[in-house]
Amino acid sequence: DQQVKQNSPSLSVQEGRISILNCDYTNSMFDYFLWYKKYPAEGPTFLISISSIKDKNEDGRFTVFLNKSAKHLSLHIVPSQPGDSAVYFCAASERGTYKYIFGTGTRLKVLA
Amino acid sequence: DAMVIQNPRYQVTQFGKPVTLSCSQTLNHNVMYWYQQKSSQAPKLLFHYYDKDFNNEADTPDNFQSRRPNTSFCFLDIRSPGLGDAAMYLCATSRVKLGEQYFGPGTRLTVT
Repeated sequence: DQQVKQNSPSLSVQEGRISILNCDYTNSMFDYFLWYKKYPAEGPTFLISISSIKDKNEDGRFTVFLNKSAKHLSLHIVPSQPGDSAVYFCAASERGTYKYIFGTGTRLKVLA
Repeated sequence: DAMVIQNPRYQVTQFGKPVTLSCSQTLNHNVMYWYQQKSSQAPKLLFHYYDKDFNNEADTPDNFQSRRPNTSFCFLDIRSPGLGDAAMYLCATSRVKLGEQYFGPGTRLTVT
């Protein structure tokens, strides 16, 4: 049973526009969420995180929004750049546990 | 640069022939993780070490074992690889449990 779902396997966006990557979760005990970016032939790298006590966290061009009632989070990239083309993974952890549950990833392609 | 290194990057083994994947880190992190990622799937945690304390996920097959002889190194041993064990194996570290995880580039295992 997939507790963290990224229902869009891929997304294409024009350079300069906004990229919105979505993630849904089923476990209401999740209280910490992260986004990782992965380039080919490299391991995932941490991008941004959000605690369940917040509904928004911003870091430069990257903003993560958390909607706890809908069990949904999204990553906004504005403006999108060709170098943002990568696979983006959403991950979540449950209060009191030590591990992250990952989604299956969304491949973002930013077109120049 | 401090980093997580995985060797080899590509490993081919025969069905049933034991194989060892290695991971080393220069970050001096307390926690080391092993993930298995199959094509188009989410990375799945196999086990982790907090210092020398080993924690196995309940659904990790007995075929998979791990060793952490010191802070810097961690090994994944697959005693009798099956065709279903072909995957990308990712090593990650974090300073503390549920801290930001730093991933290595992964080892792609092929079983023939």
